[in-house]
Amino acid sequence: GNSVTQMEGPVTLSEEAFLTINCTYTATGYPSLFWYVQYPGEGLQLLLKATKADDKGSNKGFEATYRKETTSFHLEKGSVQVSDSAVYFCALAGSARQLTFGSGTQLTVLP
Amino acid sequence: DTAVSQTPKYLVTQMGNDKSIKCEQNLGHDTMYWYKQDSKKFLKIMFSYNNKELIINETVPNRFSPKSPDKAHLNLHINSLELGDSAVYFCASSQRGVTDTQYFGPGTRLTVL
Repeated sequence: GNSVTQMEGPVTLSEEAFLTINCTYTATGYPSLFWYVQYPGEGLQLLLKATKADDKGSNKGFEATYRKETTSFHLEKGSVQVSDSAVYFCALAGSARQLTFGSGTQLTVLP
Repeated sequence: DTAVSQTPKYLVTQMGNDKSIKCEQNLGHDTMYWYKQDSKKFLKIMFSYNNKELIINETVPNRFSPKSPDKAHLNLHINSLELGDSAVYFCASSQRGVTDTQYFGPGTRLTVL
């Protein structure tokens, strides 16, 4: 079946630091890949997505590239802000009619 | 305008009670979902409806029963509440299927005492 493995948190960074959150997946075929973000007390919202190999999704300074050869979709940001503090979820949509989520990574950015 | 709304936001109740959570989306989407998020933030799909038809029914106790009166609404009724049902429940919707962006509601925090 499909599965998503995410870097365990929590992750704590200083403002303006570089962020990487690792995500690898197992799936048959050609899944679509997503990063969702959950700010404190809110529901999830889409951060970015990629639907085929070598696609790069980007939004709000965050980027992730769909790497089929390494089955990865790592999230990166060059300079994090306090307002980026949230829980980040990697997810895939494959042959099953549902999203498979990773376990989430809590990010805290300190001023 | 709220795209996906849920009521109530908080629900505190005793074991054994029956409760309902309502969800409405004003996006014109065809598909709606219920998720359960536990205290460690792990998200699990419970149900999915497409145009009022049940398409996903994960391994969930039959005390949980979804109802979709129309395409814009998906309610969740829970019978005989147990301590382990305490969690945050999220409703979501997407245009068509699972490869489309899902829009989540703000969540309902259920606490069973």
